[in-house]
Amino acid sequence: GENVEQHPSTLSVQEGDSAVIKCTYSDSASNYFPWYKQELGKRPQLIIDIRSNVGEKKDQRIAVTLNKTAKHFSLHITETQPEDSAVYFCAASFNKLVFGAGTILRVKS
Amino acid sequence: NAGVTQTPKFRVLKTGQSMTLLCAQDMNHEYMYWYRQDPGMGLRLIHYSVGEGTTAKGEVPDGYNVSRLKKQNFLLGLESAAPSQTSVYFCASSNGLYRGRTDTQYFGPGTRLTVL
Repeated sequence: GENVEQHPSTLSVQEGDSAVIKCTYSDSASNYFPWYKQELGKRPQLIIDIRSNVGEKKDQRIAVTLNKTAKHFSLHITETQPEDSAVYFCAASFNKLVFGAGTILRVKS
Repeated sequence: NAGVTQTPKFRVLKTGQSMTLLCAQDMNHEYMYWYRQDPGMGLRLIHYSVGEGTTAKGEVPDGYNVSRLKKQNFLLGLESAAPSQTSVYFCASSNGLYRGRTDTQYFGPGTRLTVL
């Protein structure tokens, strides 16, 4: 079955710096790759997603890149702000989502 | 629209007790899912449903049962609770991957369950 590995498990950055979170997946049939943000005590919420026919997608300060050959995809957050502090989950899907273990992002002001 | 709702929000059980968690969605989604979330392990799929009257096993189905008698509701049952089932449970719904529609999953607020 599908397996998704996510790195790093924790990430601390200074406000204004960039943050990068990387995920690898095992099932080459996966064709949908969402990223979720979960604040403490809240539900996961979709922040950006990418499909397998697209290499990169950007939404303001957030971007996701996908390398299907290498089977990895990454989340890039630029100009980080304290409100970006949360747990971020990647996921990969062919017919159902498999989630990575999550990355705790701390933005220090 | 309320989106995805879950009841109850919190529950404490003793080992061996049973309970049912209710998930409801008002977005007319075909697919519904139950996940559990444990520290350092992300979200793991327990059971899911691709339509009314259907259910299927996910990654960690043992000790749980589900039913989807109505399209808008998905119930998760614990017949004999164990301490290993202490977790936060999230329900989600989506249109599913069908005819190019993106499988965006919308999550409920979660149920925090403690089994003593």
